[in-house]
Amino acid sequence: AQKITQTQPGMFVQEKEAVTLDCTYDTSDQSYGLFWYKQPSSGEMIFLIYQGSYDEQNATEGRYSLNFQKARKSANLVISASQLGDSAMYFCAMREGDNQGGKLIFGQGTELSVKP
Amino acid sequence: KAGVTQTPRYLIKTRGQQVTLSCSPISGHRSVSWYQQTPGQGLQFLFEYFSETQRNKGNFPGRFSGRQFSNSRSEMNVSTLELGDSALYLCASSLDEALAGRYTEAFFGQGTRLTVV
Repeated sequence: AQKITQTQPGMFVQEKEAVTLDCTYDTSDQSYGLFWYKQPSSGEMIFLIYQGSYDEQNATEGRYSLNFQKARKSANLVISASQLGDSAMYFCAMREGDNQGGKLIFGQGTELSVKP
Repeated sequence: KAGVTQTPRYLIKTRGQQVTLSCSPISGHRSVSWYQQTPGQGLQFLFEYFSETQRNKGNFPGRFSGRQFSNSRSEMNVSTLELGDSALYLCASSLDEALAGRYTEAFFGQGTRLTVV
């Protein structure tokens, strides 16, 4: 069964430093997509970055990059130069297979706190 | 371009009542999904609608139902509310993956926070 594991319930990082949020996944499918979302206290889920299972390069979006290690089934999010506004919950999610449509499987999340 | 709009934002209901939540997707998005978020269970997939048809369904009892209209707007209904239904209900819309040629990201609304008393 598909599963996403985020082992860090909470993390602290100093402003302007980089931080890595861990995500491992379990799937028997060769085709899948991995997503990271940010959820501030307001509740809205904000899409950050996407990595396809066949993508050869690690995804990057501004200060966000995804350290994709397919053999280890890990897709860690790296946030460079942390800002106070990065304080939020972060969720790793996956979609897999064909015709799975909009079904996203989420991890339990990591609460990131950025210290000034 | 307007984002995903969910109404109402907050709702308080009594056990046994029913509730209807509404979601307007991003223009051009035909897929609408619903998720329940609770502190204990995290984010759980409820169901997905695509072109007015339910395409996927999560493991929730039949009290949870939904529908999608021809303009892609979606509603979800919960009947005979229980205390455990108190949660943040999130709606998400996404592009047709067949057209995009890859898995597409879901764009979420701000959610409806339902409290059952």
